[in-house]
Formats: sequence, structure tokens, C-alpha cells
Amino acid sequence: AQRVTQPEKLLSVFKGAPVELKCNYSYSGSPELFWYVQYSRQRLQLLLRHISRESIKGFTADLNKGETSFHLKKPFAQEEDSAMYYCALSGDTDKLIFGTGTRLQVFP
Amino acid sequence: ETGVTQSPTHLIKTRGQQVTLRCSSQSGHNTVSWYQQALGQGPQFIFQYYREEENGRGNFPPRFSGLQFPNYSSELNVNALELDDSALYLCASSLMGAGNTIYFGEGSWLTVV
Repeated sequence: AQRVTQPEKLLSVFKGAPVELKCNYSYSGSPELFWYVQYSRQRLQLLLRHISRESIKGFTADLNKGETSFHLKKPFAQEEDSAMYYCALSGDTDKLIFGTGTRLQVFP
Repeated sequence: ETGVTQSPTHLIKTRGQQVTLRCSSQSGHNTVSWYQQALGQGPQFIFQYYREEENGRGNFPPRFSGLQFPNYSSELNVNALELDDSALYLCASSLMGAGNTIYFGEGSWLTVV
């Protein structure tokens, strides 16, 4: 079955602390993995994708095919990082399968 | 700022009624997908249209139907509305092909009472 699992509904950290949002996936084949972010009152937007191997807003994510994981990391959280984060995968079409999301709260 | 626009932004319907939601895709995009996002859940894929043809469908009943027009804009129609249809409906547009970014609209909030 094709599935994306985000085990944490809520992650709360203080500003400057490291952040790791977990994502595991199940897919028979070679999917493309994404992280999408939704800031308060804004639309869903792409944060990063595994094929680009970029660092966006200080966030990175490494695809671990052995553990079927794509965890999102940032060494020092900022208050403006507070948002909903969704992990998603795509197969051979532009169809996205999303996880249930993790709300990140960064306290001052 | 992306060019995907959706209308209406909010609407309330009664159980059993029908609803049409509209999406204008970003210029140059030929693929539109619709997602349903219930409260507290991630978006769930409803279906996708590519060059005016349905190109994949998620686990939604036939009362969810759609159209894509020659200008690549799209409609989502839901018949015989049920209370569980209350959700945020998201439209996403892209240029079909590996590596292309998918852009989302702000969504249409549907409440069924």
C-alpha cells in the first residue's frame, strides 16, 4: 500500500533548538518525496523535494531508502518556522500522497 | 505568489444538494488535480485531469466528478452532498512531467449542514 506516515501531530520547541519532523513512507517503486508547508492563513507551498537536495530556509531532508524515511531537519528553529508541515510522495504521475501533517510550534 | 485561483472561498450547502467548485490553473500548466482536506487530516487525492481527460482517480465515489476545459481551468462537482463532505477542497496545477513543481490554490471551504 502507498502510504505516508507522520507520527507526530504536534512538535513544540524553543527558538534556537534543533528540529526534526519525522516522515516514513511505504511505496513499491522509486517515489519522489516532498515536504510541503502551510503557514497560518496561507496556501500549501512546496518547501523542498528530495531530488533537488537543496536547503530551503535552513531545512534539509535526506531520503533514506533503507529505512523508507524522509525526515525534515533544521539545526536552529526560528519563530517564523511555526506552521503545518506535510510530507508527501509522488509516483510516476503528479498525484501526491500526503501524510496527516505535523504542527511545529516554536516558542520564543 | 502562484497563479492558481479557486472560487468560491467559502460556501455552505445542505445535505443532498449539489456543489460546483472552480479552479483557474497557473498559466502554462496543463494538469489540474483536486484534493480533499478534512479537518486535522492531510490532503487526499480526488482525481487529476490532463489535457481535458481524467488521468487518475483516488478512492472517492462517482458522485465526485470533474471537468477540465480547453484553457485548462477545471471544475469539481459533488452531487448528493453528505455531512462528511465538509472539508477544504484544494486545486493543484502543474505542467505534467518529472521534476515539475505542483502549485496549490488557497482552497474552497465547503460546509454541509
